[in-house]
Amino acid sequence: DTGVSQDPRHKITKRGQNVTFRCDPISEHNRLYWYRQTLGQGPEFLTYFQNEAQLEKSRLLSDRFSAERPKGSFSTLEIQRTEQGDSAMYLCASSPSGGNSEQYFGPGTRLTVT
Amino acid sequence: DQQVKQNSPSLSVQEGRISILNCDYTNSMFDYFLWYKKYPAEGPTFLISISSIKDKNEDGRFTVFLNKSAKHLSLHIVPSQPGDSAVYFCAATGADGLTFGKGTHLIIQP
Repeated sequence: DTGVSQDPRHKITKRGQNVTFRCDPISEHNRLYWYRQTLGQGPEFLTYFQNEAQLEKSRLLSDRFSAERPKGSFSTLEIQRTEQGDSAMYLCASSPSGGNSEQYFGPGTRLTVT
Repeated sequence: DQQVKQNSPSLSVQEGRISILNCDYTNSMFDYFLWYKKYPAEGPTFLISISSIKDKNEDGRFTVFLNKSAKHLSLHIVPSQPGDSAVYFCAATGADGLTFGKGTHLIIQP
């Protein structure tokens, strides 16, 4: 399977705990994106990488959110001190670099904060 | 303020007929538009796209029309099939990531 994969698929955590999600993009894709989707809404852009460089992070929801892509391959999204409002689906997507091109999404990680 | 709007939360269409899903946008800087299909518990799946220099793009049963002056695009599915039942998202590219609408739930009736 050469699609985008995400791990875990589901995560239940208690308020105040830290969580980390992983995304493995399509291998030849240089760009990697993170989105959040809440009920009844479309995906909301958070951040993206071109290889290992994080080119946009001002749209991360708060300073509790951070993302890395240390070797330009897989990426992690961390949420510190989780809050109930962080409960959502976190989606990762990848695309070839440059110009307008389609983004291919993974299955998402469903986060529930209790 | 929503820059991509899908004003129909749901749409019911009889199998075999044409489904038309609509999308409006406000940001004139958007230059590439995409439609995604989403089943429950899965990520969005890319369907079809169109560049702002075109007004129509066709791929099998799916056709996307773009009216730049009206800032409006539409997705036509013909003929509609039961497997087309899903949530459809319109999206646009700007400087960074995609901007999505809220989606339209398409229900194909047998």
